[in-house]
Amino acid sequence: QITLKESGPTLVKPTQTLTLTCTFSGFSLTTTGVGVGWIRQPPGKALEWLALIYWDDDKRYSPSLKSRLTITRDTSKNQVVLTMTNMDPVDTATYYCAHSRTRYSDYVYYYSGMHVWGQGTTVTVSS
Amino acid sequence: QSVLTQPPSVSAAPGQKVTISCSGSSSNIETNYVSWYQQLPGTAPKLLIYDNNKRPSGIPDRFSGSKSGTSATLGITGLQTGDEADYYCGTWDNSLRAAVFGGGTKLTVL
Repeated sequence: QITLKESGPTLVKPTQTLTLTCTFSGFSLTTTGVGVGWIRQPPGKALEWLALIYWDDDKRYSPSLKSRLTITRDTSKNQVVLTMTNMDPVDTATYYCAHSRTRYSDYVYYYSGMHVWGQGTTVTVSS
Repeated sequence: QSVLTQPPSVSAAPGQKVTISCSGSSSNIETNYVSWYQQLPGTAPKLLIYDNNKRPSGIPDRFSGSKSGTSATLGITGLQTGDEADYYCGTWDNSLRAAVFGGGTKLTVL
């Protein structure tokens, strides 16, 4: 059974750096085709994809937030860490991590979606 | 403004069928796999459909997905009040080199 859980501060001040940790079980991030991603959702708004790290340590970021995001992994701890710099009140949201899979076809790995989600952690940005 | 376009809301009566559309472009839906997510009020999203039309274990066959060109569709038959939720489509965008979501569709079961 795959499970993921997000952890981190619930309140950060503007300009501070947010560090979120996703601790997972039931799969290995070294298994071919597997990834872990981060998604956020401001109150009452739509989902916004943030970043994804793959089994081979390849990393992808939202173009609009790329300069502020860093995603890393610790395979020995089954953890993925997302850092977001220069936090602003508009970054107030629930942040989710999720298990991602790919589909291998014609020698290409295709993104297959976010298959299992964590419960989310709420982050408020306020002074 | 989302890369993928969904209707803000749809509604139908219990027992009826509803479809939710997701419109994209040649850089995303047309050349990649589409997934669909259900978000019940106050909960995390859950995968309903992946690889355009596959259902994860435990998802009833009342839920179906299809894709044609630059658009995808989620179908739900035999609507239940418990299906009231927000539904999101998602895929990869080759130009952005990033995953993208639609703006979400609120389903009301009247």
